[in-house]
Amino acid sequence: DQQVKQNSPSLSVQEGRISILNCDYTNSMFDYFLWYKKYPAEGPTFLISISSIKDKNEDGRFTVFLNKSAKHLSLHIVPSQPGDSAVYFCAATQGAQKLVFGQGTRLTINP
Amino acid sequence: ETGVTQSPTHLIKTRGQQVTLRCSSQSGHNTVSWYQQALGQGPQFIFQYYREEENGRGNFPPRFSGLQFPNYSSELNVNALELDDSALYLCASSSDGHYGYTFGSGTRLTVV
Repeated sequence: DQQVKQNSPSLSVQEGRISILNCDYTNSMFDYFLWYKKYPAEGPTFLISISSIKDKNEDGRFTVFLNKSAKHLSLHIVPSQPGDSAVYFCAATQGAQKLVFGQGTRLTINP
Repeated sequence: ETGVTQSPTHLIKTRGQQVTLRCSSQSGHNTVSWYQQALGQGPQFIFQYYREEENGRGNFPPRFSGLQFPNYSSELNVNALELDDSALYLCASSSDGHYGYTFGSGTRLTVV
């Protein structure tokens, strides 16, 4: 039972353009959503998060949008930079308990 | 403040053996969670420890067990290793009730 899904295994974007990573979930009890970035041989690094009571959260080049009715969230990175190339994981939690992760999307930023 | 540290970084074990992985939580964090990340997958929750007690468990068999110590560091023990246990094992620490999870760099376990 995959409660959090990232349907795009990979995404390639030109440097300077917008990167949009998508995530869908099925459990309406999730109350907090997070995005993590992961480089090879490193653990996931927290990027940005959003509470279920909000629909948008912005931090510099990163913005997360939450559409509760569609059970969908997205991460926008603008402008995209070469250092953004990594695997991005969407995660959800209920009551600050376990994190439920998606399968990840490999983002490649091309110069 | 120090982050989450895990040891060892890499480990090779034979099927049927037992393994212990270690994690030191970030300063100020009292909750430790363990995750297994298989190749090409997202991390899967194994279990969480809070104040030395197991506080939630994922869909993993009993041969996966853990401990949390008074200083909030933790161990993950896996008995009777199977080939499918080969994965990256991640430790994450947090403060109870808070959403700020900090991950370590993981231990890469290979079972041959």
